[in-house]
Amino acid sequence: AQSVTQPDIHITVSEGASLELRCNYSYGATPYLFWYVQSPGQGLQLLLKYFSGDTLVQGIKGFEAEFKRSQSSFNLRKPSVHWSDAAEYFCAVVSYSSASKIIFGSGTRLSIRP
Amino acid sequence: DAMVIQNPRYQVTQFGKPVTLSCSQTLNHNVMYWYQQKSSQAPKLLFHYYDKDFNNEADTPDNFQSRRPNTSFCFLDIRSPGLGDAAMYLCATTLDPEGSYNEQFFGPGTRLTVL
Repeated sequence: AQSVTQPDIHITVSEGASLELRCNYSYGATPYLFWYVQSPGQGLQLLLKYFSGDTLVQGIKGFEAEFKRSQSSFNLRKPSVHWSDAAEYFCAVVSYSSASKIIFGSGTRLSIRP
Repeated sequence: DAMVIQNPRYQVTQFGKPVTLSCSQTLNHNVMYWYQQKSSQAPKLLFHYYDKDFNNEADTPDNFQSRRPNTSFCFLDIRSPGLGDAAMYLCATTLDPEGSYNEQFFGPGTRLTVL
């Protein structure tokens, strides 16, 4: 069955340090992938998306993600985190059974150490 | 700014007392979704409207109903809330032109408390 896996439930990094959040997917064809961020008590905001083309995708707030088909991964990176980046991050993929639906990973909670 | 609006942001209801949550959008998107999100979990899709067509998820309890009177508005009705229905409810929209894919735009959510 189609799925998205975020192996890290909770990550803590120091402010100014680099960040990488992992995402692996299972999908039979070319996936359509997203990263969303959710601040406490808020809705989800799209950080970036990959549909096709360049495998390195730039997003908002200084985030980027790299699509690696050979590893079935779509990891999110940021070179230097800010305290305001503390939030929950969700990786997601468009469902192949219904293009109107997306399948979310379980999320990674990011904490920032001052 | 075009956006997805949810009202109220916080709703408290009593066990078994019907409650309605509201979502409106100014994006003119043809697809609207309702998700339930419990603490530290991913959003769980309850149902969605593709234009006027209602699509229920197989595991959505009958206690949850939805209405979409027009393109801009969508309502979530919980007929008899139980303690297990306490959660954040997220509304989302997308423009779903045939043969393409688009991201979903989320509202800020309604936090439901059941006493």
